[in-house]
Amino acid sequence: QVQLTQSGAEVKKPGSSVKVSCKVSGRPFSSQTINWVRQAPGQGLEWVGRIRPDYGGTHYAASLQDRVTITADKKTDTIYMELRSLTSVDTAVYFCAREGVNYASGSYFDYWGQGALVTVSS
Amino acid sequence: QSVLTQPPSASGTPGQSVTISCSGSSSNIGSNAVNWYQQFPESAPRLLIYGHNQRPSGVPDRFSASKSGTSASLAISGLQSEDEALYFCAAWDDSLNGRWVFGGGTKVTVL
Repeated sequence: QVQLTQSGAEVKKPGSSVKVSCKVSGRPFSSQTINWVRQAPGQGLEWVGRIRPDYGGTHYAASLQDRVTITADKKTDTIYMELRSLTSVDTAVYFCAREGVNYASGSYFDYWGQGALVTVSS
Repeated sequence: QSVLTQPPSASGTPGQSVTISCSGSSSNIGSNAVNWYQQFPESAPRLLIYGHNQRPSGVPDRFSASKSGTSASLAISGLQSEDEALYFCAAWDDSLNGRWVFGGGTKVTVL
């Protein structure tokens, strides 16, 4: 069983940055691939990016790669997602999700954090 | 706009069957497995179906999925009031250096 516990809601000014955390527990941290997915109010899901802590490999959505950085702290088993140059369109709930894999069935998001609302407003 | 296309809504009475479609392309559904998620208001999505119609522990067998070419579908048989939720399809997309893509979500209403 994997548990993902996220930091709380944030309110940010346009042009600023936000850093959301996701603490991983229940399985060896480094071998988990953790993704970030966001959901704007009343909208669908949008993939932000992912990280594999054991070798630090990251992969970002093309639309966000200039503004987003995902990092891992192996000492605290925590993943961070930082988004810069915020605008109102970045207002969303940000979820972290563990990417499970079954070699016969592919990959999927089987464990999710509770979500963190980031509001960008002047 | 979402990369995968789903109808915004679907409905049925208790006991009926409901089917949700998900349309994509050769770079996502056409070449990779499709996953389905269920989401209740103010909650995180929950994995409902993955891969070739696999259900995680605890998901009733009333939920099933299929795929043909670049389209997929989720079927709910014996609809129950607790099935009223938002349903998303998702798949890995091989374009743009690879990315996860989602449907816009289908709200299922139990009448």
